[in-house]
Amino acid sequence: QVQLVESGGGVVQSGRSLRLSCAASGFTFSSHGMYWVRQAPGKGLEWVAGIWYDGSNKNYADSVKGRFTISRDNSENTLYLEMNSLRAEDTAVYYCARDRSSGWGYFQHWGQGTLVTVSA
Amino acid sequence: EIVMTQSPATLSVSPGERATLSCRASQSVSSNLAWYQQKPGQAPRLLISGASTRATGIPARFSGSGSGTEFTLTISSLQSEDFAVYYCQQYDDWPPLTFGGGTKVEIK
Repeated sequence: QVQLVESGGGVVQSGRSLRLSCAASGFTFSSHGMYWVRQAPGKGLEWVAGIWYDGSNKNYADSVKGRFTISRDNSENTLYLEMNSLRAEDTAVYYCARDRSSGWGYFQHWGQGTLVTVSA
Repeated sequence: EIVMTQSPATLSVSPGERATLSCRASQSVSSNLAWYQQKPGQAPRLLISGASTRATGIPARFSGSGSGTEFTLTISSLQSEDFAVYYCQQYDDWPPLTFGGGTKVEIK
């Protein structure tokens, strides 16, 4: 079955960097678009970034553009999110999510999430 | 950016009753709309895509309808496990992919 397991979250000071990983299994990773979606404590869902199945196209929310970088290693079945210049408002649970196919734009499967806390 | 608006913010329903949740888009998204369910402490789960197509394993009591700018998620007879927060999301015109603010379905 499809499994997405995020890691790399933790407490980090404002202005510092953090890299999240998402290990995928149970499907052909290289055939699916992948995303990061976050949820601030007690708030709703916010799409953060997406990457096509082959890594050729990447998209970002305005709130993270220029600070976050999404990437993938199809040989290792792993998705990444490099987060730089972190701010307090980046505090959230970060979910890795899989597209139905190469890049439809909705989230067919989700990981359990990893919490990122940015302290002042 | 397409803005998604959900109503009501909270819906109080008795078990066994019908629940109707609404989602409105600021411009047409055709049928490119998904619904998700999220329970406390859990990741969201896909319920519906294409405005009306149930995801694998989703019970038939969940149904989606609508197109363009107006959408509805109906839960025909609420079960105890259905009390949760529900989000709609458009994928017609992106980036960005956008969610509604959510509707919390609580026990009356």
